Parts: sequence; structure tokens; C-alpha cells
Amino acid sequence: EDQVTQSPEALRLQEGESSSLNCSYTVSGLRGLFWYRQDPGKGPEFLFTLYSAGEEKEKERLKATLTKKESFLHITAPKPEDSATYLCAVSNQAGTALIFGKGTTLSVSS
Amino acid sequence: DADVTQTPRNRITKTGKRIMLECSQTKGHDRMYWYRQDPGLGLQLIYYSFDVKDINKGEISDGYSVSRQAQAKFSLSLESAIPNQTALYFCATSDNPGQGLTDTQYFGPGTRLTVL
Repeated sequence: EDQVTQSPEALRLQEGESSSLNCSYTVSGLRGLFWYRQDPGKGPEFLFTLYSAGEEKEKERLKATLTKKESFLHITAPKPEDSATYLCAVSNQAGTALIFGKGTTLSVSS
Repeated sequence: DADVTQTPRNRITKTGKRIMLECSQTKGHDRMYWYRQDPGLGLQLIYYSFDVKDINKGEISDGYSVSRQAQAKFSLSLESAIPNQTALYFCATSDNPGQGLTDTQYFGPGTRLTVL
């Protein structure tokens, strides 16, 4: 069964305190791994797509990496505006839909 | 203007009522999806459509139906709403990856549905 597990469930950081979020997955043939940001009551906002192990992508203070079993979302020197829930999802070989994890809720205080 | 729009944004209804949620997109994507999100749970797929003539059930389709009126429009219906259908509902769209395009999904703003 295709499955995505995100850890930790919640993370509290001080402004400027770098950290990483983890996304572990089991999937029957990975087509792609996706990271989204979701603010309360809003739709998920696309951040990154990773397609193969070793791939990395960056956007401002965020950097996503991918191995054969997991992905990390590294947050460097976070700011309060980075506070949100970060969702990880995978697309399997059938490519019919995304399988989502439950998310990591990040809180950054000044 | 937003690429993916959903109406209504908020809806309160009573048990047993029929309700329709609508989704429109201007991204020109072939594929459209309906998801449900409950607190503490991941997004769960209700239905998806790869083109106007293609409708497929997702993991939690019981109690729901859909209609793909056009490439740009995909609606979700609850024939007889019940309280445990209270949730956030999201529409999403993506390209057809078979055409060498990414299948990244782009989400609408959501509809908050409350069934009393």
C-alpha cells in the first residue's frame, strides 16, 4: 500500500533557528514527490516537485531533497511568516492521484 | 484572478439536504480532482477526472457524486448530506503528464462545509 508519513507532527522554532522536516514514503514506483505549504483555512500552495533520488530544489529559505525512501524540507533561518503546515505527497506509477501525508505544522516565533 | 476558483467558500446546510460545490479553472488543465480534508488527517481523494468523458472514484467516494460539465468545470454533489461530511473540500487541477508535462496539482481556496 502506498503511504506517506511526515514527522514531526508539530515543530516550534525561534526565528533564525534552522531545522528540517521529514517525509518518509513507500510507493509502487515513484513518479514524483511534492511539497506544499498550507495556511489555516486555505488551499495548499505548491512549493516543489522532485522526481528522482539526489534531486534538490530551493526557494528562498526552503530547500527540498529526495532519497529513495524519504524527502527532507530544510528551512534555513526561518521567519515568523514561514509558519504554516507543510504537506508532502507522492504520485505513484499509475499516476492517478496524490497520496498525502498528514503534514507538519511549523510555528516560528520572533 | 485566481486560476482555480471554488464556490461557495462557506456553506452551512442541514442533514438530508442536497448540496453542490463548484470548481472552475482557467489553467487549461485536463485533469481535475476533489479532495476532502478533516482536522488531523491528510487530504483524501473523493473523485477525479482526466477529461470531460472520464470520471473515476477515489478512496472515499461513498455519499458523493460528480459532474464534469466542461474541461474547466468540475462539480461535487452531496445527494443527502450528513454531519460526518462536515469538512474542508478542495478542488485541484493538473496537466496530463503523458504529454511530457508535469502532473503537479494546483489547488483552489477550498469550501468549508458544515452539515448540521
